[in-house]
Amino acid sequence: AQSVTQPDIHITVSEGASLELRCNYSYGATPYLFWYVQSPGQGLQLLLKYFSGDTLVQGIKGFEAEFKRSQSSFNLRKPSVHWSDAAEYFCAVVTPSGGSYIPTFGRGTSLIVHP
Amino acid sequence: KAGVTQTPRYLIKTRGQQVTLSCSPISGHRSVSWYQQTPGQGLQFLFEYFSETQRNKGNFPGRFSGRQFSNSRSEMNVSTLELGDSALYLCASKQGQDGYTFGSGTRLTVV
Repeated sequence: AQSVTQPDIHITVSEGASLELRCNYSYGATPYLFWYVQSPGQGLQLLLKYFSGDTLVQGIKGFEAEFKRSQSSFNLRKPSVHWSDAAEYFCAVVTPSGGSYIPTFGRGTSLIVHP
Repeated sequence: KAGVTQTPRYLIKTRGQQVTLSCSPISGHRSVSWYQQTPGQGLQFLFEYFSETQRNKGNFPGRFSGRQFSNSRSEMNVSTLELGDSALYLCASKQGQDGYTFGSGTRLTVV
C-alpha cells in the first residue's frame, strides 16, 4: 500500500527566508503527486501537481516542487516566504485503483512565519 | 465558477443521534469524495462516488454511509454518533485526473 511521510510536524521560518517542506512516499511505481495548503478552518487548496515529464513543477503563490525518483521525494519550496503563507501543508500521493484516483495524504507540516 | 459547497458549516449533535452532511460539487464534476480530518488521525478517506455509484470505500464502520444523486450532489450520513466522530468532514470533487477541489468542510462536534 502507498504511504506518505512528511517528517516535519512544524517548521518555523522568518518572513523573507526560503522554505523547503519535505515529502517522501512509498510506492512501487511513480505515483501522481500533489501539494495542498490548508488555512485554519478552511478546506484544502491545491498548490501544484506532478503527473509526469519535467520533474520541477511550478505552482500557485510562488511555490514549486521537485520530484526525485531516486529519493522517492517530492519536496515543496518557496524562495521567499510571506506571512500569509503560514498554514498547514499536505503532501498527497495518488495511485490509480480500478480507474479511480484516491489520494493518500501525509500528516501535514505546520508552517509558522515570524516577522 | 462556484467551488465545492458544503452545508452546514458547523453542527453540534448528541451521542447516539444521526447526522447528514451535504456537498455540492463544482458544476461538471462527477467524482465526489469525502474525508474525515482529526488532529489525531489526519486526513482519512471515507468514500468516493462517481455517477451515483460508490467506487471506493475507506476503512470506516458501517455507521458511515453516503450517496450521490443524479446531479452529482452528495450526502454522507453518520448514524449512532460517538464522541470520536467529532471532526472536520471534507468533501472534494474532481474531473478526470485533475487534483481534487475541496470544500471548506463541515465541523461536527458530538457531545
